[in-house]
Amino acid sequence: GAGVSQTPSNKVTEKGKYVELRCDPISGHTALYWYRQSLGQGPEFLIYFQGTGAADDSGLPNDRFFAVRPEGSVSTLKIQRTERGDSAVYLCASSLQQGYGYTFGSGTRLTVV
Amino acid sequence: AQTVTQSQPEMSVQEAETVTLSCTYDTSENNYYLFWYKQPPSRQMILVIRQEAYKQQNATENRFSVNFQKAAKSFSLKISDSQLGDTAMYFCAFMKHGSAGGGADGLTFGKGTHLIIQP
Repeated sequence: GAGVSQTPSNKVTEKGKYVELRCDPISGHTALYWYRQSLGQGPEFLIYFQGTGAADDSGLPNDRFFAVRPEGSVSTLKIQRTERGDSAVYLCASSLQQGYGYTFGSGTRLTVV
Repeated sequence: AQTVTQSQPEMSVQEAETVTLSCTYDTSENNYYLFWYKQPPSRQMILVIRQEAYKQQNATENRFSVNFQKAAKSFSLKISDSQLGDTAMYFCAFMKHGSAGGGADGLTFGKGTHLIIQP
């Protein structure tokens, strides 16, 4: 596609529920990144994919968070047993060439009530 | 690990004025990239300008320019002839050169500066 697409745009869920956030990167971009942006903060790294594999998942806060990219294109961020502290904007980005920055989507605003 | 500091949580200027946003960073690397991103209420992070650390010449993009001081580890953004559409959050970001591109070597952001352009 022309840009990075993230769905849903907004998600409200109850504490303890499971959620999935989807990212569709720019066609041909092999690198894909997930970031989390809490209110009043800059984005913080969660996980990075190169192709189908998670090259670096050191930013995932705990084992309730998991992400996949089975065919090297679309990625899904999965959060189990959601907590109120998980409320944030989850941003996805993709890149073609290192050093040129990333192209970001518009994010998913997750609210856990 | 790299750190990026933006010391101005919020700035407000009149339309058509020039404004400068500050950014400092801390790294032991010699070769890296620096970026300024704009985040309007739509939430999408939009790349404004990019600087390669090995280039001494400051990057410019139309009304946007940077003052890159490598020794001082400073990377400020100047917006000339500011417009109402410039109102947004602005984030300074650092990336190590030659990294795989992700994780601790990927984009590291500051906390942002909320820029308000008054009519």
